[in-house]
Amino acid sequence: GQNIDQPTEMTATEGAIVQINCTYQTSGFNGLFWYQQHAGEAPTFLSYNVLDGLEEKGRFSSFLSRSKGYSYLLLKELQMKDSASYLCAVRRGSNDYKLSFGAGTTVTVRA
Amino acid sequence: EPEVTQTPSHQVTQMGQEVILRCVPISNHLYFYWYRQILGQKVEFLVSFYNNEISEKSEIFDDQFSVERPDGSNFTLKIRSTKLEDSAMYFCASYQDRVATGELFFGEGSRLTVL
Repeated sequence: GQNIDQPTEMTATEGAIVQINCTYQTSGFNGLFWYQQHAGEAPTFLSYNVLDGLEEKGRFSSFLSRSKGYSYLLLKELQMKDSASYLCAVRRGSNDYKLSFGAGTTVTVRA
Repeated sequence: EPEVTQTPSHQVTQMGQEVILRCVPISNHLYFYWYRQILGQKVEFLVSFYNNEISEKSEIFDDQFSVERPDGSNFTLKIRSTKLEDSAMYFCASYQDRVATGELFFGEGSRLTVL
């Protein structure tokens, strides 16, 4: 089976940093994605890691360790609009974008 | 910016009725997907479609479900006889080619409510 685990909820203050961890055990691995999803809306792409290391994109960074089956999404300089669910998803095959999603981490940013 | 569009945004139907959800993927994309998300639960893969045929489907995608690309632009999901547990948000997604640039483009979703 596929196990993708991430915390259910996190709360942080505006301007702070939050790190959302994701661990995975999947049959096959061909990349890990982070998506942001506001309530009632579609997931929007944040980052993609296929090699070990840190990918930085503005206020958001994502890290991957394939040997540990571990990734994190780092959100810096939090803004109120960052309040959303953050979805960790694993791509297993190399020829398609069938993604296995975690249950999502709801981040609440407080003033 | 090109986007995936879905219609209807919300549909309410009676149990046992047929429902067709429509999607217009981004025009030069070749790979199409349907995902669903039951309220409060995770996003789940339903089916992938490439070169006018299903390339993979999940256990959820049983005989009640079908997909079709009737013309060069539309990609539809049909549920033949809806059940209460089909109530969910259905997301269409598309991707350009096999090169892994990382972005699967999702539509805004169609919320299906089965009564």
